[in-house]
Amino acid sequence: DAGITQSPRHKVTETGTPVTLRCHQTENHRYMYWYRQDPGHGLRLIHYSYGVKDTDKGEVSDGYSVSRSKTEDFLLTLESATSSQTSVYFCAISESGRTSSSSYNSPLHFGNGTRLTVT
Amino acid sequence: GESVGLHLPTLSVQEGDNSIINCAYSNSASDYFIWYKQESGKGPQFIIDIRSNMDKRQGQRVTVLLNKTVKHLSLQIAATQPGDSAVYFCAENKGGYQKVTFGTGTKLQVIP
Repeated sequence: DAGITQSPRHKVTETGTPVTLRCHQTENHRYMYWYRQDPGHGLRLIHYSYGVKDTDKGEVSDGYSVSRSKTEDFLLTLESATSSQTSVYFCAISESGRTSSSSYNSPLHFGNGTRLTVT
Repeated sequence: GESVGLHLPTLSVQEGDNSIINCAYSNSASDYFIWYKQESGKGPQFIIDIRSNMDKRQGQRVTVLLNKTVKHLSLQIAATQPGDSAVYFCAENKGGYQKVTFGTGTKLQVIP
């Protein structure tokens, strides 16, 4: 495993409540990501971070916010959970953020996920 | 839209046989491809990657083949073992990890 811990592993919450998921890494990688995984959709990027306090939106960012105050921690917050946010959430890290002009590629390494159920 | 897809949702293979999992991609601008293995209840685990300037890359018991002409990627697993049972999916990168697109996966079942 790549030294990524997600907490909690399971969470059941009610619609309208705030929820925060935590991702902690021990690899000192600069780049961190939050994905959600739903049947038939594959992994979809919610938000990502390219450094402390540097974050940006992914393709499914509505209803989510993130914060990164330290290199090792990346938090995902659902301000007011909805049933459509029931999913499995994965944190990932990478050594390189890699641009199209870069010859250096590094794969994403994932945590073991948080299963969130919004009732 | 552009997408990464898999030809077969489920693949059953006899233990000891070779497995081939296929993936089609549609974006010719993609220049980096990754295969992941995901076991039940776990996160995706990196298996092997390949850059677009290569046609083949080998790892331990695994080989990835890239055919840019037909936009096709395959993962070959030699001497498939019960521990190989999992969902496998490919991903393509068009530059920057915010631009990674993941396939939905193929479930590999190994028959003892």
